[in-house]
Amino acid sequence: DAKTTQPNSMESNEEEPVHLPCNHSTISGTDYIHWYRQLPSQGPEYVIHGLTSNVNNRMASLAIAEDRKSSTLILHRATLRDAAVYYCILRDVHSGGSNYKLTFGKGTLLTVNP
Amino acid sequence: DAGVIQSPRHEVTEMGQEVTLRCKPISGHNSLFWYRQTMMRGLELLIYFNNNVPIDDSGMPEDRFSAKMPNASFSTLKIQPSEPRDSAVYFCASSPPGASYNEQFFGPGTRLTVL
Repeated sequence: DAKTTQPNSMESNEEEPVHLPCNHSTISGTDYIHWYRQLPSQGPEYVIHGLTSNVNNRMASLAIAEDRKSSTLILHRATLRDAAVYYCILRDVHSGGSNYKLTFGKGTLLTVNP
Repeated sequence: DAGVIQSPRHEVTEMGQEVTLRCKPISGHNSLFWYRQTMMRGLELLIYFNNNVPIDDSGMPEDRFSAKMPNASFSTLKIQPSEPRDSAVYFCASSPPGASYNEQFFGPGTRLTVL
């Protein structure tokens, strides 16, 4: 499975934007980039995913580099509730194989300061 | 709408006892996943069901672990006999039919402590 590299931790101030980076230099052409987050004492929750183009939803934006070897999750205005571990995960779009799997790494622990 | 429901939320048992964790996936979802989270190993997939059929159980640690999905609305993960190293948070997740890269919806987890 293609692997991702994320910083162990990041800090942000409330109401400021946060840019969470993810490197995936061995990404294949059929890998989707997924982001999940895990709030304290909760199960992981889906944030966003994309393939090649930048994506926006109500939670965040995903900026994907032109060569797809890196991506950035953008929280436009961090709140205290955004403090969580953020996971960047690659999933193969093909219907066969182990594409259903979410292989979680260590993620990035985001601390939001009031 | 109700999300994925897991029970119990907390379980404390003694070594050697049987433990059964329960999961009710979101209605209409046809894929179900059991994960385990520990500080040492992070989040790991244990087993995956599709349309109630186990597809991949390669993550199940050993024969002491077993999982069943008798119908589309219920699954169990059983540990017999339990050991202290099984202490972890166990998550159940479900996913709707359609694209294989659909998001997974996680339950709140069951925190298992084996003394």
